Amino acid sequence: LAKTTQPISMDSYEGQEVNITCSHNNIATNDYITWYQQFPSQGPRFIIQGYKTKVTNEVASLFIPADRKSSTLSLPRVSLSDTAVYYCLVAILDSSYKLIFGSGTRLLVRP
Amino acid sequence: DSGVTQTPKHLITATGQRVTLRCSPRSGDLSVYWYQQSLDQGLQFLIQYYNGEERAKGNILERFSAQQFPDLHSELNLSSLELGDSALYFCASSFPTDGASGNTIYFGEGSWLTVV
Repeated sequence: LAKTTQPISMDSYEGQEVNITCSHNNIATNDYITWYQQFPSQGPRFIIQGYKTKVTNEVASLFIPADRKSSTLSLPRVSLSDTAVYYCLVAILDSSYKLIFGSGTRLLVRP
Repeated sequence: DSGVTQTPKHLITATGQRVTLRCSPRSGDLSVYWYQQSLDQGLQFLIQYYNGEERAKGNILERFSAQQFPDLHSELNLSSLELGDSALYFCASSFPTDGASGNTIYFGEGSWLTVV
């Protein structure tokens, strides 16, 4: 399982775009990159998943360079409610895989 | 609502006691994962079951055990409880991928365990 490295914390202001980068130098060919959001005392929630290039949904965008050794979660125009911990998970989800989350990035959005 | 159900939501018990946490995965999901999250800490992977069989083990203490039943629900048993076992315990589930596509794991809302 590829080990991931993320910034411990980030600060932003409402309305700004936030980019959180995750490094995963040992990503394997079949690994997918998935980001989760966790609010205090709640279970992590799926945000977005990708394999290469760019993926966009109604919540976020995920940019993955050609070498796939890093990925960037982009949150457009954040609001106070986006204050949370964001986890990057690199894995292929088959029946026998340990899903080990990294430390995550604690995002604080200020008014 | 992720579709993963955990009970109880809150539990207070004394040191030395034993508790059982229950998880019902999303309909159709074969894999169940258990995680422990202490206050302001990250998610610690404990154990994974797939279709009734243990498939991966993380930093799970010997005092802890789990199983997945034929109906695919899972139970995490915590015994000889210590103050340090106080934490939020999450269950997650997923459907196994065929390797050709990614997959997502879905978390329940957790069971708060307080050991006093």
